Amino acid sequence: RKEVEQDPGPFNVPEGATVAFNCTYSNSASQSFFWYRQDCRKEPKLLMSVYSSGNEDGRFTAQLNRASQYISLLIRDSKLSDSATYLCAAFQGGSEKLVFGKGTKLTVNP
Amino acid sequence: EPEVTQTPSHQVTQMGQEVILRCVPISNHLYFYWYRQILGQKVEFLVSFYNNEISEKSEIFDDQFSVERPDGSNFTLKIRSTKLEDSAMYFCASSDPGQETQYFGPGTRLLVL
Repeated sequence: RKEVEQDPGPFNVPEGATVAFNCTYSNSASQSFFWYRQDCRKEPKLLMSVYSSGNEDGRFTAQLNRASQYISLLIRDSKLSDSATYLCAAFQGGSEKLVFGKGTKLTVNP
Repeated sequence: EPEVTQTPSHQVTQMGQEVILRCVPISNHLYFYWYRQILGQKVEFLVSFYNNEISEKSEIFDDQFSVERPDGSNFTLKIRSTKLEDSAMYFCASSDPGQETQYFGPGTRLLVL
């Protein structure tokens, strides 16, 4: 089983839509989680950290369910500029590496 | 806003040649990383570096790879004898002591012919 798995997508949504991405992780020792955004041929850019209590940053909401080993990202009121690949990443206790999922591609259409 | 920088942005090399990829981490960060991303694949961890030594490395990071912090600002990845399968985007990242968030540089696209 892959360490971090994501919905492969692609997701094609109209502007203004709400879209949700899911991510599961297999290592229960994983302690911290992140969503990164990656534009084509660019570096991953941190979008937000994910906390057990859930966190919101403007149109973006991240949730963590440790019991189910599941992370989600919700984007409300999608903009054209949200088109990108969204990477889920887990940081394991006792390790210094981020383990990434393969990413979910989102295209927001006018 | 401080950022990680990398040079060169692109490098083309012949198989068997040595390449050195350079990174300048964010100035007050003490943890440094290299990741790579083969086209169409996920971002994969290569190595982490702290206090002038490797603190963790993946199975990808074999004897042909090495890292160095030659001075107070640069962090380098050397590939001694490049193979075709080394063609990838190489990202440097850095993080603050006590923080788990890693910030990535723009990457070096390496093409081995």
